[in-house]
Amino acid sequence: GAGVSQSPSNKVTEKGKDVELRCDPISGHTALYWYRQSLGQGLEFLIYFQGNSAPDKSGLPSDRFSAERTGGSVSTLTIQRTQQEDSAVYLCASSPDRADEKLFFGSGTQLSVL
Amino acid sequence: AQTVTQSQPEMSVQEAETVTLSCTYDTSENNYYLFWYKQPPSRQMILVIRQEAYKQQNATENRFSVNFQKAAKSFSLKISDSQLGDTAMYFCAFTRGGTSYGKLTFGQGTILTVHP
Repeated sequence: GAGVSQSPSNKVTEKGKDVELRCDPISGHTALYWYRQSLGQGLEFLIYFQGNSAPDKSGLPSDRFSAERTGGSVSTLTIQRTQQEDSAVYLCASSPDRADEKLFFGSGTQLSVL
Repeated sequence: AQTVTQSQPEMSVQEAETVTLSCTYDTSENNYYLFWYKQPPSRQMILVIRQEAYKQQNATENRFSVNFQKAAKSFSLKISDSQLGDTAMYFCAFTRGGTSYGKLTFGQGTILTVHP
């Protein structure tokens, strides 16, 4: 595709439910990143996938958060037992396989937990 | 740990005028990268400009330029000939580079409004 695609664009859920957020990176990009943008915490790194290497999960805020990347392409961020403080915009970015390549961001998923 | 501070929550400028957004950072690294990103209402983060710390020359991209003061750990963005389309949230960001290149630390952001 032309850019990084994220779905859904907006998601409203009830406290305690699980949600899945999807990211389709630019074709051929081997690096994929998830970020969270919230009013209280600003923009925070969550997790990073690079090719077939083990992901860098150092930014995940709790064990309710997990992510996977299937076939080195599409990624899903899962939040279990959602809490109101999980309400945020979740942004995905991808980049080609070089250490200093530009990141391309998607338009994010706005998650609202009621 | 690295920190990035943007001390101006909001700024405004008249169309065609010049505005400067401030950013300071703290790091013990010697080699790193600094960025300015623009986030319009569409939410998509767009890279405006990048500066490598080992380069003394300030980066420029058309109407956008930076004033990089490594010793002072300051990295300001100057927008010349401001246009209505420049209205957006601007984020200053830092990365160590290497395998951590995409792990960005962001500032709190500055909302810029360009008035006609």
